Amino acid sequence: EPEVTQTPSHQVTQMGQEVILRCVPISNHLYFYWYRQILGQKVEFLVSFYNNEISEKSEIFDDQFSVERPDGSNFTLKIRSTKLEDSAMYFCASNPSWSGGTNTGELFFGEGSRLTVL
Amino acid sequence: RKEVEQDPGPFNVPEGATVAFNCTYSNSASQSFFWYRQDCRKEPKLLMSVYSSGNEDGRFTAQLNRASQYISLLIRDSKLSDSATYLCVVSASNDMRFGAGTRLTVKP
Repeated sequence: EPEVTQTPSHQVTQMGQEVILRCVPISNHLYFYWYRQILGQKVEFLVSFYNNEISEKSEIFDDQFSVERPDGSNFTLKIRSTKLEDSAMYFCASNPSWSGGTNTGELFFGEGSRLTVL
Repeated sequence: RKEVEQDPGPFNVPEGATVAFNCTYSNSASQSFFWYRQDCRKEPKLLMSVYSSGNEDGRFTAQLNRASQYISLLIRDSKLSDSATYLCVVSASNDMRFGAGTRLTVKP
């Protein structure tokens, strides 16, 4: 069964360092997302990506964050200068389709990348 | 007002019990509604979509009230394996917004 894969599963970094989290979405999916979940808290939307550009982003997704789809498979989240409060689980998700403004499919999540900022 | 608000829980119920979760959403333009399940330290997984007319999948029944901007999930004959956090998810455009989740523990 196709699945979303994320690497690394866990990364420990020093405050101020740049981090790149990688995701390989399901191959025929069109929409890609990053979410984060701080331990014990809710799943928070960061950004959605379609047709090689950001389609929507939340207030959390400030200038220190960027996303890229450098080739036909990888979808990356870059955190430019990490802060302590960036410590969280970061989930990548993909969705096969939308139709007329309505989400017609489920989100398929990867297992997440746990980021620890020291 | 939070975009998606859920019963805080936790719900602790015996096996076989019926339990109901509620969710309200603030964006009246929302068009798609879902219940996801998240096990401890795992990724969320779709439990069921919620349709305007209400829908049932085995022991699970979902209802939507657009006028009240309210979604519910009913679990009948709960099993130990139903223990998880249940997430209400609402979508208006190219995003899907999650509620904080309601934790359910089913005890023998």
